[in-house]
Amino acid sequence: NAGVTQTPKFQVLKTGQSMTLQCAQDMNHEYMSWYRQDPGMGLRLIHYSVGAGITDQGEVPNGYNVSRSTTEDFPLRLLSAAPSQTSVYFCASRVGTALNTEAFFGQGTRLTVV
Amino acid sequence: AQSVTQLGSHVSVSEGALVLLRCNYSSSVPPYLFWYVQYPNQGLQLLLKYTSAATLVKGINGFEAEFKKSETSFHLTKPSAHMSDAAEYFCAVARMEYGNKLVFGAGTILRVKS
Repeated sequence: NAGVTQTPKFQVLKTGQSMTLQCAQDMNHEYMSWYRQDPGMGLRLIHYSVGAGITDQGEVPNGYNVSRSTTEDFPLRLLSAAPSQTSVYFCASRVGTALNTEAFFGQGTRLTVV
Repeated sequence: AQSVTQLGSHVSVSEGALVLLRCNYSSSVPPYLFWYVQYPNQGLQLLLKYTSAATLVKGINGFEAEFKKSETSFHLTKPSAHMSDAAEYFCAVARMEYGNKLVFGAGTILRVKS
């Protein structure tokens, strides 16, 4: 029962460095997404994908890239880290895009940019 | 556009007391509403969801929520709080953009006093 798996759990980056946050799901879900969580702001959508080979921008996409080469994997790339990207990042998946489908979340990656 | 507002960023109750966490939504169409719980250093977990089948929705861990269209509310309740209920709770609504994304409220941190 792995569900949604994120790695790493914690990461410290220096300003300007790049890195990839990994996300994998084993539920054969079509829809995958990345959120960032900041205090008092809930979760904000960074990028999403409605299927392999299809990605699109969410509300706060600047500074991030994604790809979806397989149904299972949806990595998030930080191109040049900035202190404003210090946050907790969550990957989520849903079986489809219907309005009534719930999201399943990974355990999160706590990123600090210094 | 659909959105949610959670009233009270922090709620404190005594063990055994009623838990009431407030959520109001704005939507021009019948909404799909969700409550999620986040325990410390973990991802979000679905508590319950409203999909118009019944106005009183029962979820896990003894929680329930009532959909009230006249009040545009979807408050979360539990008759008797346990210490293990201490967590952050998020109300969310499905929104018809970004692949029918979930829009989250800012969250309410529940503290349970012994």
